[in-house]
Amino acid sequence: KQEVTQIPAALSVPEGENLVLNCSFTDSAIYNLQWFRQDPGKGLTSLLLIQSSQREQTSGRLNASLDKSSGRSTLYIAASQPGDSATYLCAVKLRTGSARQLTFGSGTQLTVLP
Amino acid sequence: DGGITQSPKYLFRKEGQNVTLSCEQNLNHDAMYWYRQDPGQGLRLIYYSQIVNDFQKGDIAEGYSVSREKKESFPLTVTSAQKNPTAFYLCASSIPGESLNEQFFGPGTRLTVL
Repeated sequence: KQEVTQIPAALSVPEGENLVLNCSFTDSAIYNLQWFRQDPGKGLTSLLLIQSSQREQTSGRLNASLDKSSGRSTLYIAASQPGDSATYLCAVKLRTGSARQLTFGSGTQLTVLP
Repeated sequence: DGGITQSPKYLFRKEGQNVTLSCEQNLNHDAMYWYRQDPGQGLRLIYYSQIVNDFQKGDIAEGYSVSREKKESFPLTVTSAQKNPTAFYLCASSIPGESLNEQFFGPGTRLTVL
């Protein structure tokens, strides 16, 4: 069974710092990996989706990388801002099984201090 | 604007009552999903539907029921058989099959049992 782990559970940094959030998964036979942002009491906003054949995806100050062989993905946030404060979740879709199979990590709660 | 709406935003239920959470999308997506999120945890799949008039159980379907009579709508009923229903419920939709399969989420419904 696929398990997704995100460490640390919470992270606090001063404004302007570059930071890395980590996601690890146990089954490397994934179809894609998706990073989401969740603000308190809100739904999820998709940030980046990396297909299994890709190594990284970039959107603005965000860069997500994928290393299937080691079962790891990182989300790099450059020049962090207080508005980046949120919970960041990663989710993987297995290559096998039905279209429903998204497995989520428990998230990293990020606080960027002004 | 295309998107997913969920109603109500907050819902209170007395023990022994059934309640129905609404999810509507105008993205023309065939697949729809219901997730449950508990504090500090990732999302767990309750039910999913890949096409109208068809739905499948997810990992935690006990005590829940769904219907999919229209492409746009996928209501979730939390029955009295669900022993611990207090949680944040999220609805999502996507294009099914082995495509990009990016999931888009609604704003969520917070259910509290009194």
